[in-house]
Amino acid sequence: QLQLQESGPGLVKPSETLSLTCTVSGGSISGSTYYWGWIRQPPGKGLEWIGSIYYSGSTYYTPSLKSRVTISVDTSKNQFSLRLSSVTATDTAVYYCARLPYSSGWVDSWGLGTLVTVSS
Amino acid sequence: QSALTQPASVSGSPGQSITISCTGTSSDVGSYNLVSWYQQHPGKAPKLIIYEGSRRPSGVSNRFSGSKSGNSASLTISGLQAEDEADYHCCSYAGSSTLVFGGGTKLTVL
Repeated sequence: QLQLQESGPGLVKPSETLSLTCTVSGGSISGSTYYWGWIRQPPGKGLEWIGSIYYSGSTYYTPSLKSRVTISVDTSKNQFSLRLSSVTATDTAVYYCARLPYSSGWVDSWGLGTLVTVSS
Repeated sequence: QSALTQPASVSGSPGQSITISCTGTSSDVGSYNLVSWYQQHPGKAPKLIIYEGSRRPSGVSNRFSGSKSGNSASLTISGLQAEDEADYHCCSYAGSSTLVFGGGTKLTVL
């Protein structure tokens, strides 16, 4: 049974960098049949795809966040990570890590999500 | 890349059918048969209920169905049940390995 678990600080100060890690268990992150991604949901709002990474390290980001986002993968730890720089209050959201079948356009497995609040 | 457009809310009585629309553009919904739908109960992670426009993952009730026409997609839930009360989100592939979501629709079962 595949499980994804987000971890990282729940509170980040404005202008600092948000960093989250997703640990994958029950499956290998190195498989060629999946992307691994981050999706967020501001309180009371809809979902926003942030970006995805392939095990090889190829990355894809949503245009509106591209200048501030870095997604990386550590196959030795079966983890992938999100860094979002220069955060403001509008980056306050529940952040989900997720698995996306390769070349599919959908998410077939989600983490439980972690709330990150941007506040001084 | 703009968010897909969904109604903020829909409602229906038990046993009825409801349809939730999802409108995109010729760059996303209209170009690919890769619309997906997710059900999200309060405080929970979303769950995939429709992919590739109309296919259901194993274990998802056949009361859920999806369709697409032009730049719009729809999710229909038939035989509404109390447990269907949730938020529903559409998503489309938008090319170059990118995705775009809708704003979400709150379904109330009366």
